[in-house]
This record gives sequence, C-alpha cells and structure tokens, in this order.
Amino acid sequence: DVKVTQSSRYLVKRTGEKVFLECVQDMDHENMFWYRQDPGLGLRLIYFSYDVKMKEKGDIPEGYSVSREKKERFSLILESASTNQTSMYLCASSRPLLSYNEQFFGPGTRLTVL
Amino acid sequence: SQKIEQNSEALNIQEGKTATLTCNYTNYSPAYLQWYRQDPGRGPVFLLLIRENEKEKRKERLKVTFDTTLKQSLFHITASQPADSATYLCALPYNQGGKLIFGQGTELSVKP
Repeated sequence: DVKVTQSSRYLVKRTGEKVFLECVQDMDHENMFWYRQDPGLGLRLIYFSYDVKMKEKGDIPEGYSVSREKKERFSLILESASTNQTSMYLCASSRPLLSYNEQFFGPGTRLTVL
Repeated sequence: SQKIEQNSEALNIQEGKTATLTCNYTNYSPAYLQWYRQDPGRGPVFLLLIRENEKEKRKERLKVTFDTTLKQSLFHITASQPADSATYLCALPYNQGGKLIFGQGTELSVKP
C-alpha cells in the first residue's frame, strides 16, 4: 500500500522558532510537494521538488525553505515561525507525467504558532 | 491568470439522491482534470481523472463529465450515502512538471 507520511499530526510552536516539517514517501516518486491549506483559500503550493536537491518555488514561498537530500524525503522549514503561518500543511508526491500526475497526500500537520 | 471555481456553498442532500458538484475554470485549456475527496483533518485522496478527449468517465457510483467548450466539469455521486459526506476538490495541471492547481472544494453532506 502506497504511503506518504508526515512527522507530526499536530505541532505547537512559538513565534520566532525554527520549525521542521518532515515528509517521507515510499513510492519512489520523483515529484514531491508542500502545500498549506487554509479555510476559504484552499490548497496553495509552497514549494515543489522534481528530483533530489532540485526545488522550485510555488505560489507562496515567502517565509519557507525546503530540503531534499534523499529521493524519499522532503522537508519544509520555517526559518522563523510567525502567527500567520498557523495552518494545515500537506505533503504530496507523484510521478512526473505518468499516471497523469495523480498526487498522493500525507495525513497533514496542523501547525499552531503562538 | 488561471482560475478554478467550485461551489463555495455546502451541498446538503438526502441519502439515495444524486449529488452533483461543479468545477469551472477560466484562462486555461487543460489536458485533463482530476477529482479528489478530502475528509476533515485528512489529506486529499485521488478519485478520478478525465482527459480532454473524454466526455464522461465512470467509477462505481461516481461519474465525471468534462466539457472543454463550457470549461466545466461535473462530478456526480449516484445513490449517495452518509459515508460520501466529505469535501470534494477538482484539480487541473498547470505549467510543467506535474504541478496541479486545486479548487477550493465543495463540502457535501448526505443526510440519512
């Protein structure tokens, strides 16, 4: 059974802290994504990686960075957490241009920044 | 810029009826369209894909249509059940490399 896992389901951090969100997939997928989901705004792409060490900014990259040192792992980093980064964070993976890019999502991490 | 619109209001229907959800898009000619289901507090789960040259696709009680002239997809759930209650998202490919743009989703509630 294919799987995307995220390191935490719930996380509470303080303003200014450095936050790491980890995502691991076991499907040998090339593409990995980080989204945030907020009520009324839907899913918004933060960053995208199409290969190890390769990354591309999404629609809302400000305040975030990413790391992909291994194919199966894609990390989202909040360098200095702020209250407006309180959100549901979703990781996804897919094969490029096969299966018409169906994306497999993790369970999400609900991050609260106080 | 590319835009996707789904019914923002929740859809409430009676068990056994057919639910119909709408996805409209503008400034775009996608090669395919996808539908996902999302339960509260969970990640979306892929349901169906329909290509631009397909008018209709079925999977069990699900049916999707794709009208490239109207720039619209309709998602139908026949003989709906309370277990179908969830938020349904449509998604289109954009730019290159496998990225998708998602609609905001429509919340469906099926009452027994």
